[in-house]
Parts: sequence; C-alpha cells; structure tokens
Amino acid sequence: EMQLVDSGGGLVQPGGSLRLSCKASGFTFSRTWMSWVRQAPGKGLECVALVRSDEAEKHYADSVRGRFTVSRDNAKNSLYLQMNSLRVEDTAVYYCTVGWSLDSWGQGTLVTVSS
Amino acid sequence: DVVMTQSPLSLSVTLGQPASISCRASQGLVSGDGNTYLNWFHQRPGQSPRRLIHEVSKRDSGVPDRFSGSGSGTDFTLKISRVEAEDVGTYYCMQGTHWPTFGQGTKVDIK
Repeated sequence: EMQLVDSGGGLVQPGGSLRLSCKASGFTFSRTWMSWVRQAPGKGLECVALVRSDEAEKHYADSVRGRFTVSRDNAKNSLYLQMNSLRVEDTAVYYCTVGWSLDSWGQGTLVTVSS
Repeated sequence: DVVMTQSPLSLSVTLGQPASISCRASQGLVSGDGNTYLNWFHQRPGQSPRRLIHEVSKRDSGVPDRFSGSGSGTDFTLKISRVEAEDVGTYYCMQGTHWPTFGQGTKVDIK
C-alpha cells in the first residue's frame, strides 16, 4: 500500500525559509515522478512543484518559481520542498503526492506565514 | 495554464438520488500518447483529497461503482448514481495532460 508522510510545517515570518519533507513507502519511489500540492485555508488545490524520478526534470508553478526548490533522495525514499522568501500568501497545507496524476496523497503539513 | 471550470459549485442532494458534476477545460486534454489525463478527487473536511477516477473513466481501487466518469475533448462529467451519506464533501476535477490544474471544487451536502 502506498503511504506518504509529510512533515516540516510550522509558523514562519514573511521572508523566512522552511523545508518540508515527505517519506514514501509501499511503491518504487526511485522510478516515480513526485509532486507537491498546496491548499490555502478554505480554498482550492494548487500544484506547486513536480520532479522526475532522477531529478533530471523539475517544474514549478509561476507563483513559486525562483523561491521554492523541489528535491529528492531516492536512497531514503524521501521528497523535499525548500521554501525561501516566504510570503503571507504561501500559507497553506502542503501535500506530497505521486506523479502527474496525483494518485496518492500524504496527510499534509500546515505552513503558516505570519508576522 | 489550462483553466478548469466546474459546475455547479454547490449541490444539495437527497440520499439515494443521483448527482452530477460538470467540468470544462479551456483547451483539449488529449496527450501526445493518446490518453486523456482527466481525474476526479473527493475531499472530506479535514482530510486529504482522494482520487476517485483517472483518465476520464477509470475508477481507482476501492472506489464504489456508483461513481462514474465520462466525457471527451474539453467536457467531462462525474456522476454518482445513488448518493450516500459518506459522499459529502468537495469534489475536484483536475487535468494532468499539461501543467496540473484543478477546478474550483463542488461542495456536496445532503438535503
């Protein structure tokens, strides 16, 4: 069974940084595209980053490009999202998901950007 | 980016009655490999979204057969043949053919 466990969220001031982690199990992580999707409080869903299995391709939403960096460690079955220059509008629950079709989701981790 | 437009945005349904949600894409969703990557998700309050349908009409494992997806090109539909209490929540369509984008969501509750 696919399982994704998200962690690393918290309260950070505008302009600050945070690193999210996702631990995967139950599938061949090293061969799978992975993604991060976020959901602002009471709002809809937005895909923010995608990374190919070998990190040779990375794609970002316009809203985070240049500030967020997605990475992975296939030896540890782990996915990461480094978030810099955080803004109030980045406040959201961040979910680790599988591939381009998002067939499995983590439980989410809340990031709150506020002074 | 491809804009996904859902309707209605809210739906109140009697238990045991059918329900239908529409989703329209701002451009075609047929991929270069010939597949159409249109998915449907269900999210209960306080929970992560769960994928119900992928590639327009393929039900995910464990999804009851009262859920069905259809459509082609830019117009797609999710149907629930007989709504049950556990079906409340918000439904999202999403396309994965281009950069992934979601519809606004349709909130379903019981009348």
